[in-house]
Amino acid sequence: GESVGLHLPTLSVQEGDNSIINCAYSNSASDYFIWYKQESGKGPQFIIDIRSNMDKRQGQRVTVLLNKTVKHLSLQIAATQPGDSAVYFCAEIGGPAGGTSYGKLTFGQGTILTVHP
Amino acid sequence: NAGVTQTPKFQVLKTGQSMTLQCAQDMNHNSMYWYRQDPGMGLRLIYYSASEGTTDKGEVPNGYNVSRLNKREFSLRLESAAPSQTSVYFCASSGRTSGTLYEQYFGPGTRLTVT
Repeated sequence: GESVGLHLPTLSVQEGDNSIINCAYSNSASDYFIWYKQESGKGPQFIIDIRSNMDKRQGQRVTVLLNKTVKHLSLQIAATQPGDSAVYFCAEIGGPAGGTSYGKLTFGQGTILTVHP
Repeated sequence: NAGVTQTPKFQVLKTGQSMTLQCAQDMNHNSMYWYRQDPGMGLRLIYYSASEGTTDKGEVPNGYNVSRLNKREFSLRLESAAPSQTSVYFCASSGRTSGTLYEQYFGPGTRLTVT
């Protein structure tokens, strides 16, 4: 079936550096993508989202880029801080008719981000 | 607002035992979801409820049942627990009152071990 996956399972960076977390998706009909952050022992927390008709979206210290040609999604975190250490998941909502109304998310495997002071 | 709450936080069951995981949200959201997360994996959708009175299967529904008791509460039941159901279970909710249409708010999770 369709799936969402990540290139790199772990990423270690120094505090202050920029981080880039990648995600590949296989469902070309995906309509909507979301990045979640999950800290140890907690549920996922929404970071930023992007619709399939967009290439880029910026938030506070984060930017999501979408390349539909190669079905690739990335999350850029500027000036990474120790508090950014967590597992990051991309998730997608598929495009079949009626499939997006209720936010049925398909999650990728996750990338562990470790920020060293 | 408490957001999404789940009980219990931890549970150990023997194979064949049954239990119900409780979830409640106080954000007046229409949609609620149950996910499971296995070690080193992303979340997989078990069941969801688009609105009060409706429930539908997700990606991995076998071995589970759900009840949308009212708009606030959505429970997940394991009728006969199996070791393969050892996992962390997350409840989530979403609605048009959220910051974005599809943003889901997650509870803290229930860590279930089946021996």
